[in-house]
Amino acid sequence: LAKTTQPISMDSYEGQEVNITCSHNNIATNDYITWYQQFPSQGPRFIIQGYKTKVTNEVASLFIPADRKSSTLSLPRVSLSDTAVYYCLVGDQGTGGFKTIFGAGTRLFVKA
Amino acid sequence: DAGVIQSPRHEVTEMGQEVTLRCKPISGHNSLFWYRQTMMRGLELLIYFNNNVPIDDSGMPEDRFSAKMPNASFSTLKIQPSEPRDSAVYFCASSSLTDKGYTFGSGTRLTVV
Repeated sequence: LAKTTQPISMDSYEGQEVNITCSHNNIATNDYITWYQQFPSQGPRFIIQGYKTKVTNEVASLFIPADRKSSTLSLPRVSLSDTAVYYCLVGDQGTGGFKTIFGAGTRLFVKA
Repeated sequence: DAGVIQSPRHEVTEMGQEVTLRCKPISGHNSLFWYRQTMMRGLELLIYFNNNVPIDDSGMPEDRFSAKMPNASFSTLKIQPSEPRDSAVYFCASSSLTDKGYTFGSGTRLTVV
């Protein structure tokens, strides 16, 4: 399983764009990149997933360079409610359930 | 859809007692995962099932832990006997072949005293 490295914590202010970068140098050909968000006392929540280039949904954008050794989660105009832990994971979605290992995540703190 | 349902939400038990945690995955999902979360160790994958069959239980800490999935709509995680170091939040998650990512339940906070 590809190991991921991301910053332990980040601070931001309301209204700013936040970019969280994750390194995954050993990503395999079949691996997808998935980001989750976790609030205190809740389970992680799927945010976005991509394989290459750029993916955008109503919550975030995911930028993946051609070599796929890193990825950047971009949160536009964050609010206080975006304060959470963000996890970057890589894994082979394959044909069934796949073993997904969570790292330590990035603790984002949004200030007023 | 009610999402992934876990019960109980909170469990306090004495050391040595048997504890059973329950999970109902989303209907139609064919994969189910049990995770444990603590401040020290973060989120740890304990075991996962595909089509009710255990695929990888290498994360199960000891023989005191066991998990079953008798059918597609129900799974249990049992700890017998429980110890204080088992205190954690236990999450169940499910996924399907077509879904992106997992859907997690709200977790069971276990306290062993």
